[in-house]
Amino acid sequence: KQEVTQIPAALSVPEGENLVLNCSFTDSAIYNLQWFRQDPGKGLTSLLLIQSSQREQTSGRLNASLDKSSGRSTLYIAASQPGDSATYLCAVTQGGSEKLVFGKGTKLTVNP
Amino acid sequence: DTGVSQNPRHKITKRGQNVTFRCDPISEHNRLYWYRQTLGQGPEFLTYFQNEAQLEKSRLLSDRFSAERPKGSFSTLEIQRTEQGDSAMYLCASNSMGPQYFGPGTRLLVL
Repeated sequence: KQEVTQIPAALSVPEGENLVLNCSFTDSAIYNLQWFRQDPGKGLTSLLLIQSSQREQTSGRLNASLDKSSGRSTLYIAASQPGDSATYLCAVTQGGSEKLVFGKGTKLTVNP
Repeated sequence: DTGVSQNPRHKITKRGQNVTFRCDPISEHNRLYWYRQTLGQGPEFLTYFQNEAQLEKSRLLSDRFSAERPKGSFSTLEIQRTEQGDSAMYLCASNSMGPQYFGPGTRLLVL
């Protein structure tokens, strides 16, 4: 059974800092990995999707990397802003199933 | 493209009542998913449709839960005889290939 873990559970940084969020998964036979952000009481916003054949994806100040063999992904946020404050979730799909298996998320607070 | 929409956004009900939620996916998406999220947890998969066919169901989806997607467009999720443990955010997502896009969710509170 696939399990996804995100460490740390919460992170507080000053504005302008570069930061890394971590995601690990127990079964490396994934199809793709997706990063989301969730604001309190809201739905999920898709940030980046990495196919299993890819090593990284970039969108603006965000860069996500994937190391399938070690079962890890990182989300790098450059020059953090207070508006980046949210919970960040990673999720994976595996061959033969379209369902996303989620971690519990990392709650990020960027202080002005 | 107006995104995935869900109705109602909030629902308060008494234990034992039936509730029904609706999800309208992004129009060109043929896959539709339901997830449930409780406080402090990531979403958990419930079921998914490709067009009108329900292709996968989680063991979380007890016999009190039923989902439909008539004509492969919108979907409904019904919970019969609600229990306090059903209180959660119910999220819908859609895609064709590629990223799943989520709606704003329906927050259910069972008293």
